[in-house]
Amino acid sequence: AQKITQTQPGMFVQEKEAVTLDCTYDTSDPSYGLFWYKQPSSGEMIFLIYQGSYDQQNATEGRYSLNFQKARKSANLVISASQLGDSAMYFCAMREGGGGFKTIFGAGTRLFVKA
Amino acid sequence: DSGVTQTPKHLITATGQRVTLRCSPRSGDLSVYWYQQSLDQGLQFLIQYYNGEERAKGNILERFSAQQFPDLHSELNLSSLELGDSALYFCASSVGSSGPYNEQFFGPGTRLTVL
Repeated sequence: AQKITQTQPGMFVQEKEAVTLDCTYDTSDPSYGLFWYKQPSSGEMIFLIYQGSYDQQNATEGRYSLNFQKARKSANLVISASQLGDSAMYFCAMREGGGGFKTIFGAGTRLFVKA
Repeated sequence: DSGVTQTPKHLITATGQRVTLRCSPRSGDLSVYWYQQSLDQGLQFLIQYYNGEERAKGNILERFSAQQFPDLHSELNLSSLELGDSALYFCASSVGSSGPYNEQFFGPGTRLTVL
């Protein structure tokens, strides 16, 4: 069965430093997609980055990169040069390719960026 | 702004009542998804519609129902409301309906408070 685990309920990072948010997943489907979303205090869900299970390279989007380690079933989000506006809740999510349409989300990690 | 609109933004009602949440997907998107975000359950997938037809069901209670209309907007109906139904309800939309990569764009959410 699908499962997403985010083990860090909260993280602190100094402004301008890099931070890694952990995500591990479990699936028996060889085809799947991994997503990261940001939820600021205003509540909206903002798509950040996507990694497909067959992608050879790690995904990058601006200051966001996804450290995809398939054998370890991990998909960690790396935020470089943290900014105060990065303070938010971050969710890792997964969607299987074979037959299932639902996306499951992890419990989230709350990131605090310190000035 | 994701292009997905949800109304109302806030809703306060009493136990036992019925409410309707409305969602308009991004222009061109055929799929609509509903999610419930509560403090104890996290972000849970409820149901998906694609071009008017139900495509997938998640953890949706029997007291809840949804539909997607010919103009592609969707409504989530919640009846016999209980205190535990208080949550943030998100609608998301995507172009397609299946496959591991199907970027979902989230609306701003409707915060439901049941007193």
